[in-house]
Amino acid sequence: ETGVTQSPTHLIKTRGQQVTLRCSSQSGHNTVSWYQQALGQGPQFIFQYYREEENGRGNFPPRFSGLQFPNYSSELNVNALELDDSALYLCASSSPRGAGGTNEQYFGPGTRLTVT
Amino acid sequence: GDSVTQMEGPVTLSEEAFLTINCTYTATGYPSLFWYVQYPGEGLQLLLKATKADDKGSNKGFEATYRKETTSFHLEKGSVQVSDSAVYFCALRSNAGGTSYGKLTFGQGTILTVHP
Repeated sequence: ETGVTQSPTHLIKTRGQQVTLRCSSQSGHNTVSWYQQALGQGPQFIFQYYREEENGRGNFPPRFSGLQFPNYSSELNVNALELDDSALYLCASSSPRGAGGTNEQYFGPGTRLTVT
Repeated sequence: GDSVTQMEGPVTLSEEAFLTINCTYTATGYPSLFWYVQYPGEGLQLLLKATKADDKGSNKGFEATYRKETTSFHLEKGSVQVSDSAVYFCALRSNAGGTSYGKLTFGQGTILTVHP
């Protein structure tokens, strides 16, 4: 069974640029959630994708957007990067209880984004 | 809204000492409760969980009991090891709003360092 994978591991961007982060869900999981973890803080929920549609969103501005593909992999896009966007971005996959799953989220190793 | 409060850290212990990390929560309804662990440079790993009042989650010698009357889910271990050094996060998942929306709300994390 393949776990959750994320790419890239690290990247450095300049303020105002755009970035795309990628996540492959664990085998059998059709739901992907994204979290932002600032240094020394707990993860904050950005949004969740289920069946290729956004299914819940946290308190993040519209410049944070995402996609989910038919194979359940997902992208997180951030436009007009700000210094405060520097963080570890975590992706988690799950399978909803209604679909016979447990709804438990399994996390990938994260992408460390630095904005200068 | 939902929130999780963890005891402030960091926590430094000697090997074989007893560990308690306090966690209290605020949520509507009957959330599921979790402890996640994050080792240096890695993503989050689920340590244990409890889904209803008085449930006890346990794993790798760690335990936590879902106390609805005190809205708490304190993490304990009778004898810590150097390998337990990590950051520990308490989290909740609201079970309102349908089966597919599984947002996790995290506490700020507690750094545990165990010395030989």
